[in-house]
Amino acid sequence: AQKITQTQPGMFVQEKEAVTLDCTYDTSDPSYGLFWYKQPSSGEMIFLIYQGSYDQQNATEGRYSLNFQKARKSANLVISASQLGDSAMYFCAMRAHTGRRALTFGSGTRLQVQP
Amino acid sequence: DTAVSQTPKYLVTQMGNDKSIKCEQNLGHDTMYWYKQDSKKFLKIMFSYNNKELIINETVPNRFSPKSPDKAHLNLHINSLELGDSAVYFCASSSGTSGGGNEQYFGPGTRLTVT
Repeated sequence: AQKITQTQPGMFVQEKEAVTLDCTYDTSDPSYGLFWYKQPSSGEMIFLIYQGSYDQQNATEGRYSLNFQKARKSANLVISASQLGDSAMYFCAMRAHTGRRALTFGSGTRLQVQP
Repeated sequence: DTAVSQTPKYLVTQMGNDKSIKCEQNLGHDTMYWYKQDSKKFLKIMFSYNNKELIINETVPNRFSPKSPDKAHLNLHINSLELGDSAVYFCASSSGTSGGGNEQYFGPGTRLTVT
């Protein structure tokens, strides 16, 4: 079974500062992927970034980077230079690379960027 | 050019009614999913189809019945609606090959309200 834990229900950050959203996971699958999705107030789910369990380097996508620490089973999302438009719910998710393909989601973190 | 579309976007209905939500993807993906997001924003897989074959069927009341007429479509029919069915239902799709990022692309969601 897979489990995702996001311990920060809500976070505040000042505009232009960096923020880290925490995510820890648990799985018995030897190969898996970790994902972050953004859900703004409009409700859609937007894919942000992916990290494979065997990737040697941390993933980056523009202002998003994933701080992957496999031994600690953590996959924290770092947003640099926060913008007002970053205010949203952020979900960490994972799935195994074989077999069951559905995503297991964490409970989410609501990020509010303050001017 | 919508990748994953759902209809309707909003659905308000009374207890006991039967309703359907339709989903279509134009990405050429062979795997489609239904997720439910409850009032606390928690997302959970309900069903998944791969090439029109049901591959994931979570513990969901049998009042919920998915149907996939072809690879590009996955519909959700709900019988005898109950108050607890009120939620946002997301359709998603992904490329079914194992491994890799293969992020899931989500539809805009259908907000179902049962009165």
